[in-house]
Amino acid sequence: GENVEQHPSTLSVQEGDSAVIKCTYSDSASNYFPWYKQELGKGPQLIIDIRSNVGEKKDQRIAVTLNKTAKHFSLHITETQPEDSAVYFCAASRSNYKLTFGKGTLLTVNP
Amino acid sequence: DAGVIQSPRHEVTEMGQEVTLRCKPISGHDYLFWYRQTMMRGLELLIYFNNNVPIDDSGMPEDRFSAKMPNASFSTLKIQPSEPRDSAVYFCASSPIYIHEAFFGQGTRLTVV
Repeated sequence: GENVEQHPSTLSVQEGDSAVIKCTYSDSASNYFPWYKQELGKGPQLIIDIRSNVGEKKDQRIAVTLNKTAKHFSLHITETQPEDSAVYFCAASRSNYKLTFGKGTLLTVNP
Repeated sequence: DAGVIQSPRHEVTEMGQEVTLRCKPISGHDYLFWYRQTMMRGLELLIYFNNNVPIDDSGMPEDRFSAKMPNASFSTLKIQPSEPRDSAVYFCASSPIYIHEAFFGQGTRLTVV
């Protein structure tokens, strides 16, 4: 089955700096790569996703890049703010709705 | 819509007891998922349904776990008998057809003592 590795497990940045989280996947048939944000006491919430026919996608301060050859994808958050502090999960899926999640990254943005 | 609704939010039970977790998906969503979250193993997919039919239960850890979806607006995850290693946060999520986004509930924090 699919295996998703996520790094780093914790990340601390100063407000205004950029944050990058990286993931690798094992199943070359995976074609959907979402990122979820989980705040304390809540369920994960989708923040951005990318499909295998696209190399990069942006949404305001958030961007995701995908390298299918190397089987890795990354989340980039620019101009970080304290409210960006949360746990971030990457995931991978074939077109069957079954998501395999990475172990998560605890992002702390220091004011 | 109120989103995915899970109950109870917290459950504390003694080892050996039966535990039932409940989920009401978002109306109109065709897919329903049960996940378990622990520090050690992260978010694991236990089982998912499409139009109330179980599609993949390969993530269910053992026969003590069972899930049902009797209709489009209700699902249960049952653990019988419960064990301390079942302690975790259990999430229910739902998705509409053709859209992969999973909408998660607030979760049920289960503690088995």
